[in-house]
Amino acid sequence: KNQVEQSPQSLIILEGKNCTLQCNYTVSPFSNLRWYKQDTGRGPVSLTIMTFSENTKSNGRYTATLDADTKQSSLHITASQLSDSASYICVVSADYGGSQGNLIFGKGTKLSVKP
Amino acid sequence: GAVVSQHPSWVICKSGTSVKIECRSLDFQATTMFWYRQFPKQSLMLMATSNEGSKATYEQGVEKDKFLINHASLTLSTLTVTSAHPEDSSFYICSASVRPGYGYTFGSGTRLTVV
Repeated sequence: KNQVEQSPQSLIILEGKNCTLQCNYTVSPFSNLRWYKQDTGRGPVSLTIMTFSENTKSNGRYTATLDADTKQSSLHITASQLSDSASYICVVSADYGGSQGNLIFGKGTKLSVKP
Repeated sequence: GAVVSQHPSWVICKSGTSVKIECRSLDFQATTMFWYRQFPKQSLMLMATSNEGSKATYEQGVEKDKFLINHASLTLSTLTVTSAHPEDSSFYICSASVRPGYGYTFGSGTRLTVV
């Protein structure tokens, strides 16, 4: 069964600190993995997208890594800011031979950045 | 680029009435749009895939007669919740894709409250 598991479920850090969020998946066949940031009451906003051949992708203070062998990804946030408080969702796309992509969503990690 | 506009952002309606939610791709043509529902502290759940000019494809367990989807143009898909009940209260999010399986952009979501 295709699944995406994220950890931790929630995380509280102090402003300025770094943190790393984890995503493990059992999706096959694999097309790509994306990290989204979802503010409360808003739609998800894309942070990074990585295909099978990419093992790291950065977007400002956000750096995502992908290990396709172990089927693990991480999202590292550097020098956190109060505005980073949000849910971070890992989404894996299953490639079904060219037909419509199937997105499998993780439940997200709720990050709270405190002053 | 790739902006998806969703309207309204929130709506309160009486039980038994119908509510229409619009999803527009502002700067690209979306042959495929997706409708999701998200309950508090839960992941996004795909409800249906909306294809321009043809019938929507509903996920298992989603009542197609209750959640009417129309994708009459390449820039607009609508979701109508018919005879809404309090259990339909949720956060509804659309996403649009120029190409299946890649480049998904999410709308800002619609908070539906049925009283």
